[in-house]
Amino acid sequence: DQQVKQNSPSLSVQEGRISILNCDYTNSMFDYFLWYKKYPAEGPTFLISISSIKDKNEDGRFTVFLNKSAKHLSLHIVPSQPGDSAVYFCAANSGGSNYKLTFGKGTLLTVNP
Amino acid sequence: GAGVSQSPSNKVTEKGKDVELRCDPISGHTALYWYRQRLGQGLEFLIYFQGNSAPDKSGLPSDRFSAERTGESVSTLTIQRTQQEDSAVYLCASSSTWTGEQFFGPGTRLTVL
Repeated sequence: DQQVKQNSPSLSVQEGRISILNCDYTNSMFDYFLWYKKYPAEGPTFLISISSIKDKNEDGRFTVFLNKSAKHLSLHIVPSQPGDSAVYFCAANSGGSNYKLTFGKGTLLTVNP
Repeated sequence: GAGVSQSPSNKVTEKGKDVELRCDPISGHTALYWYRQRLGQGLEFLIYFQGNSAPDKSGLPSDRFSAERTGESVSTLTIQRTQQEDSAVYLCASSSTWTGEQFFGPGTRLTVL
């Protein structure tokens, strides 16, 4: 039972354009959401997070939006750069067990020069 | 400083053999996590250690899996009588607190023939 779903296995965008990666969740107990980025042969690295008390968090070129009523979040990358090409994982946890992250399957982003 | 390291980076074994995977967390990090990523899947939580507290083993898939951690240092994940479905990348992460950002190692790719 996938509690965190990333329905797009891959996404391809042109350099300079916006990349939008989507994530849906089913567990209403989740209250903290994270995005991780993973290059081949490396472990995931933390990118950005958002608490359920917010609907937007911005960090440079990266913005995460949370729509609690729709149980949906998205990661926007503007402008996209070739170095952003990687697998992006959406993850979530709930306050009672903050450490236990539940991950989606990931979306492979390719940014073409 | 040094990040999370894991060894070996790759392990090929025969069905029925035991394997031991090692994780060296970031120095000073009290929390340590093991995850598993099967091909085409997201990361699955396996086990969590926090200081001297009893570990949360709720993610271990069977009693063939066990893990130990000595104090706040090295951890080993042991899989006994390996099966083909154990083939996956095993990732270790550590964090400075139980709610802190998790820093991942590069993983150990296990292949069970």
